[in-house]
Amino acid sequence: NAGVTQTPKFQVLKTGQSMTLQCAQDMNHEYMSWYRQDPGMGLRLIHYSVGAGITDQGEVPNGYNVSRSTTEDFPLRLLSAAPSQTSVYFCASSYSDRVGYEQYFGPGTRLTVT
Amino acid sequence: AQSVAQPEDQVNVAEGNPLTVKCTYSVSGNPYLFWYVQYPNRGLQFLLKYITGDNLVKGSYGFEAEFNKSQTSFHLKKPSALVSDSALYFCAVRPSGSARQLTFGSGTQLTVLP
Repeated sequence: NAGVTQTPKFQVLKTGQSMTLQCAQDMNHEYMSWYRQDPGMGLRLIHYSVGAGITDQGEVPNGYNVSRSTTEDFPLRLLSAAPSQTSVYFCASSYSDRVGYEQYFGPGTRLTVT
Repeated sequence: AQSVAQPEDQVNVAEGNPLTVKCTYSVSGNPYLFWYVQYPNRGLQFLLKYITGDNLVKGSYGFEAEFNKSQTSFHLKKPSALVSDSALYFCAVRPSGSARQLTFGSGTQLTVLP
């Protein structure tokens, strides 16, 4: 199993550009989520999905879109990049969002918006 | 709303000495509690969790954590620290009810000195 994979590893965008961060998992997990990590703030949930075709907003969803057309893939779209979106982005998955299943994290995408 | 506090940004300990990384939480109802570790330029890795049962939970790499309901704490411990334990540690909580979101603390940088 590759686990959770993310591409790209690094990305530099100019303000106003759009892009998609890719996330895939091969563990047949129902639950997938996107976090951003900023210094001193821990991880904050952007969007999550409890299964194909079902998505919902997390704590900081503004400026981001998601879709879940398959169990395996959960891309995150930045619609019009802003410097405030400079961050490290992590995708995570777990078997379920119920009970106490732990999450598996991807290696992250480091995004810089200039 | 749920929250997690990690009161120490940085913990330094000598190799071979016991280590403690502190975590307190606030949540409605019974909590599910987690510890994750992040090595440089990597995603988060699951260490251990408390769901129910014994208050002392054992996890990966010799780590353990004690759930204290009266003090709303879930401190991470290890009897003898290794240099390789140096990393960023995150505590996380979610309520055992219907909410799906996991809330992370801001992280504690552990440095084990040789």
